Amino acid sequence: ILNVEQSPQSLHVQEGDSTNFTCSFPSSNFYALHWYRWETAKSPEALFVMTLNGDEKKKGRISATLNTKEGYSYLYIKGSQPEDSATYLCAFDPSGGSNYKLTFGKGTLLTVNP
Amino acid sequence: IAGITQAPTSQILAAGRRMTLRCTQDMRHNAMYWYRQDLGLGLRLIHYSNTAGTTGKGEVPDGYSVSRANTDDFPLTLASAVPSQTSVYFCASSDTPQGIDGYTFGSGTRLTVV
Repeated sequence: ILNVEQSPQSLHVQEGDSTNFTCSFPSSNFYALHWYRWETAKSPEALFVMTLNGDEKKKGRISATLNTKEGYSYLYIKGSQPEDSATYLCAFDPSGGSNYKLTFGKGTLLTVNP
Repeated sequence: IAGITQAPTSQILAAGRRMTLRCTQDMRHNAMYWYRQDLGLGLRLIHYSNTAGTTGKGEVPDGYSVSRANTDDFPLTLASAVPSQTSVYFCASSDTPQGIDGYTFGSGTRLTVV
């Protein structure tokens, strides 16, 4: 069982604040790191899939960075809005080989107060 | 709208009964997955299928079986339900087994075994 840790578990910010959270994963046998956004009563939606060390991806006010050598990824949200409130999941793919299995972290629950 | 359809949305099931959770996708994705979501544990992989005709065991396969007779359908069967199988079940798919474009999730089935 692979250890994928996310911190913090939950976070409350005010509208307009910028915030970030962390995903830690094993630094060996890396293939890909996924980020998902999961709103209450909905299903997870893919934000980013990152494969290269040093990679940075951006979608609107949300961006993510990747460090495969030290085994972490950061997700940043600039100027948080109430609609950003959701659980943000990361998932680690160790192989890309014959056993394609994502291991998910437990998520960071973000609440943005208006 | 292209995506994944899960049925039923929710179910209360007597212990010892057999139950099949249905999952159908219309995106012609090769790979499909079943996860369960439990409080404090995150999403855990039950079974997966890299392509029609093949299946594999995930992290928590005991008590569950799957089949993949065609590309679109990936049913999950509980042969004899037990209360510990009370959970929310999510079906997911990806275009390729590498999942490089991310996973698409269904809306989930909430199962209560009493």
